[in-house]
Amino acid sequence: DGGITQSPKYLFRKEGQNVTLSCEQNLNHDAMYWYRQDPGQGLRLIYYSQIVNDFQKGDIAEGYSVSREKKESFPLTVTSAQKNPTAFYLCASGGSGYEQYFGPGTRLTVT
Amino acid sequence: AQSVSQHNHHVILSEAASLELGCNYSYGGTVNLFWYVQYPGQHLQLLLKYFSGDPLVKGIKGFEAEFIKSKFSFNLRKPSVQWSDTAEYFCAVMRSGSARQLTFGSGTQLTVLP
Repeated sequence: DGGITQSPKYLFRKEGQNVTLSCEQNLNHDAMYWYRQDPGQGLRLIYYSQIVNDFQKGDIAEGYSVSREKKESFPLTVTSAQKNPTAFYLCASGGSGYEQYFGPGTRLTVT
Repeated sequence: AQSVSQHNHHVILSEAASLELGCNYSYGGTVNLFWYVQYPGQHLQLLLKYFSGDPLVKGIKGFEAEFIKSKFSFNLRKPSVQWSDTAEYFCAVMRSGSARQLTFGSGTQLTVLP
């Protein structure tokens, strides 16, 4: 079954801890993206990667880091430097067309 | 910076009413335009898209959108909504040369009353 998986669905962390969110795709897409969704603000781009071993900052990259060692995987680390980490995080991928396909999301709560 | 505006934050309609959700963007160059929908508890999914050609595009579930270049708008319409259309709707813009980055609007929550 082709698609994008994100795990876990819900994640709870204490303030000051780094946390890594998983994103895997089996659509054979070159590009992958991480967005943050907050109520009333839509989706904002954190990082994106157009090819393995390369990634670029999006609009709100501060306090986040990523890696792209494999085509299928694009994990996002929310570091302790992110001031407001509690949010819904969405991963997406895109192929040769212009559409992006989204995963189910991870809801991160930091207390 | 490019921005996408969705002026309606929450729309409440009765079944069979007509729907129009506004979307305006600020970028003046060539753009690709999208509407995404997020049903409760489901993935964000593509509703329809405009790349070029006929400015009136049709999507899934009876939705359509019209690109009006002179107004920088891409409004979403449906002649008769159903209770199952209750969802959050996002307009998104991809400008040419942007490495296929999407800029999203803030979203419109549509509630359809049975």
